Amino acid sequence: EAGVVQSPRYKIIEKKQPVAFWCNPISGHNTLYWYLQNLGQGPELLIRYENEEAVDDSQLPKDRFSAERLKGVDSTLKIQPAELGDSAVYLCASSPSGIGYEQYFGPGTRLTVT
Amino acid sequence: AQSVSQHNHHVILSEAASLELGCNYSYGGTVNLFWYVQYPGQHLQLLLKYFSGDPLVKGIKGFEAEFIKSKFSFNLRKPSVQWSDTAEYFCAVNDPTSGTYKYIFGTGTRLKVLA
Repeated sequence: EAGVVQSPRYKIIEKKQPVAFWCNPISGHNTLYWYLQNLGQGPELLIRYENEEAVDDSQLPKDRFSAERLKGVDSTLKIQPAELGDSAVYLCASSPSGIGYEQYFGPGTRLTVT
Repeated sequence: AQSVSQHNHHVILSEAASLELGCNYSYGGTVNLFWYVQYPGQHLQLLLKYFSGDPLVKGIKGFEAEFIKSKFSFNLRKPSVQWSDTAEYFCAVNDPTSGTYKYIFGTGTRLKVLA
């Protein structure tokens, strides 16, 4: 079974530029999460999707961050414009719907904003 | 708000030493508890989880954790570590009654095992 796929794995951009990250969850997983992980910290939830609906986006900085999950499968997270403080690892995870299922994480995208 | 504390940020052990990593959470209600591990260059993966029942939970690779409700703790243990256990370990908590499915992660403990 293929795991959660993310691309790109690494991205270096200049501040004020846009950037997008892509995630393909495990087949059949209706719940998809985007996390932000700063150096030396644990993952922090940005947004959670149930199928194509964003059901928890309270931690997403909506002035510059946006996300979508068309057709309830793949998802894209976008930052526009990027700031120096956005340098971090962006993790995608998926799980079956329902409370208590473990989350399966992708390898992450390491973003460096210069 | 819920929080998870992992007080040991860096731990260095020799092979065959015993391991205990602390995890405390700040929520008095029903919780689901998890330990995730991230090996160098790899993605986060589940070590073990506690939902209910026996408070001593056994996971993969010889790890176990004990849920002590009175202490709000879920410490991870392994009687004899190996060089291959070098990794970063994250404790996480979820409130199954909140309906938010939100997981709160600790800051992680970086374990280095010396051969």
